[in-house]
Amino acid sequence: GAVVSQHPSWVICKSGTSVKIECRSLDFQATTMFWYRQFPKQSLMLMATSNEGSKATYEQGVEKDKFLINHASLTLSTLTVTSAHPEDSSFYICSAKRGYEQYFGPGTRLTVT
Amino acid sequence: QQQVKQSPQSLIVQKGGISIINCAYENTAFDYFPWYQQFPGKGPALLIAIRPDVSEKKEGRFTISFNKSAKQFSLHIMDSQPGDSATYFCAASITNFGNEKLTFGTGTRLTIIP
Repeated sequence: GAVVSQHPSWVICKSGTSVKIECRSLDFQATTMFWYRQFPKQSLMLMATSNEGSKATYEQGVEKDKFLINHASLTLSTLTVTSAHPEDSSFYICSAKRGYEQYFGPGTRLTVT
Repeated sequence: QQQVKQSPQSLIVQKGGISIINCAYENTAFDYFPWYQQFPGKGPALLIAIRPDVSEKKEGRFTISFNKSAKQFSLHIMDSQPGDSATYFCAASITNFGNEKLTFGTGTRLTIIP
């Protein structure tokens, strides 16, 4: 149990376009999901906390108008990177909370050209 | 300060040996300490976790040792295997805040050599 999926697993987009990443908890309901960003050989950086039915809470320094988060149901949260630029290229990972534990998705590799 | 310090940054262990990764924290309000294993290009996978009311937790070849007074905890991997080669992250959170954000260590790249 406690499986989290992400879609797509990798995406290439042109600079200036938007891209949406989906995070789903497959076998449990998650009122809280988290979005992280990870640069090569670095730790995970929390971007925002997503709560079902309410606005996301963003970490300091994360542009909420650029990284739009929607937690539409107890099993789905989406991250939309708007007007993407090459510096947004990164590995984006979501997690879903069950009890005290966080279960992570497999990640989405975003490349902006 | 919401920081978790992890060491070493990288570790090479011979097959069959014991791998030991250490973490230290400052915030005494932390009350949940998980370890995650991450393979290249994949998301982290929850390995084992401990709460501060116990000093040790063992699951298979993985053991967490917890020292509350020293504010330190460590992961021990017994009989290390090449398949254990991965990056390991310790983390900590406060579980009575509702959102329970994880504060991650900087990671340890473990390599098991034959």
